[in-house]
Amino acid sequence: AQSVSQHNHHVILSEAASLELGCNYSYGGTVNLFWYVQYPGQHLQLLLKYFSGDPLVKGIKGFEAEFIKSKFSFNLRKPSVQWSDTAEYFCAVNANFGNEKLTFGTGTRLTIIP
Amino acid sequence: EAQVTQNPRYLITVTGKKLTVTCSQNMNHEYMSWYRQDPGLGLRQIYYSMNVEVTDKGDVPEGYKVSRKEKRNFPLILESPSPNQTSLYFCASSLRPQANTEAFFGQGTRLTVV
Repeated sequence: AQSVSQHNHHVILSEAASLELGCNYSYGGTVNLFWYVQYPGQHLQLLLKYFSGDPLVKGIKGFEAEFIKSKFSFNLRKPSVQWSDTAEYFCAVNANFGNEKLTFGTGTRLTIIP
Repeated sequence: EAQVTQNPRYLITVTGKKLTVTCSQNMNHEYMSWYRQDPGLGLRQIYYSMNVEVTDKGDVPEGYKVSRKEKRNFPLILESPSPNQTSLYFCASSLRPQANTEAFFGQGTRLTVV
């Protein structure tokens, strides 16, 4: 079974700082990878996804992520964060075949200080 | 507007009193699932359904039931709620059971069992 690790539980940054949130997964086969964001009091929304092709994917709101297969990683980045990026971020994975469910990491809470 | 709708958004109930949380999607999605979100644990899948009358257990199914009599609806039933089921619940749907489609989430139901 696959699993997802997000090692940063809570990250605090000042506005305009650069962001990188770590995500590592364990699964031996081909996977699909996702980053979801949950703003305070809201539901999860998709930030970006990787299915195949260019390992550097760009999502909404200036976020991007890079799939590094050899490291089983899919880290999320943003060059300059804003106060409105304060939210919880979840990395998720599912296997690229069959009917596999989404497996989520435990989430990273991001707090941006104005 | 494409959406997943859950009701109620907030619910406080007493131990043992049966309750149902409804979930409906208007995107003609085949795959639907329920997750619970707990601090430090991320989202964990409770049950999923690949199509009408096809349901199966996720990672944490104990104490829950589901049904899928129509494609658009996927209610979550707690026959005898207990305090350890106090949580934030999300319903999700996606186009196919296959992996490379994104999931859409409902707004969440915050359940408190006293």
